[in-house]
Amino acid sequence: GENVEQHPSTLSVQEGDSAVIKCTYSDSASNYFPWYKQELGKRPQLIIDIRSNVGEKKDQRIAVTLNKTAKHFSLHITETQPEDSAVYFCAAIRETSYDKVIFGPGTSLSVIP
Amino acid sequence: GAVVSQHPSWVICKSGTSVKIECRSLDFQATTMFWYRQFPKQSLMLMATSNEGSKATYEQGVEKDKFLINHASLTLSTLTVTSAHPEDSSFYICSAREPPKEKLFFGSGTQLSVL
Repeated sequence: GENVEQHPSTLSVQEGDSAVIKCTYSDSASNYFPWYKQELGKRPQLIIDIRSNVGEKKDQRIAVTLNKTAKHFSLHITETQPEDSAVYFCAAIRETSYDKVIFGPGTSLSVIP
Repeated sequence: GAVVSQHPSWVICKSGTSVKIECRSLDFQATTMFWYRQFPKQSLMLMATSNEGSKATYEQGVEKDKFLINHASLTLSTLTVTSAHPEDSSFYICSAREPPKEKLFFGSGTQLSVL
């Protein structure tokens, strides 16, 4: 089955700096890669996703890059703000209706004002 | 995005009792729903995949007789924790995939505390 690794497990950055979180996956058939943000005590929220036919996607301060050959993808947050502090999870999914969704172990991001 | 509703948001129960958690997709039909368990400061651990009209698929190490899953309609899946014990205390969260793009949306979670 799919195995998703995520690094780093914790990350502290100064406000205004950039943060990068990397994930690797094992199933070469995975073709959908979402990123979720979970604030303490709340549900995970989808913040950005990318499909395998695209190498990069950007939404304001957030971007995701995908390297299918190397089987890794990364989340980039620029101009970080204190409200970006949260746990971020990645997932690698085959887009068929019944495949289970396995998440990476998560990255706890702290943005220091 | 799509809305997934989960109830109750928190529940406290006595050891030995059963607790039912509901997960509803409010504005779409979900053929597949997933149930996760999350311990503090840890990742989402998949417990089972719930398919409408068929038996749930449980992950290794998850007791199917302990965690009963019923996906009776395209908008409702339930998780029943039977004969709950303190070690079952955790944050349980459901999710559903929205067709046709199969994006995954989460319920708000249920914090279960077993005394």
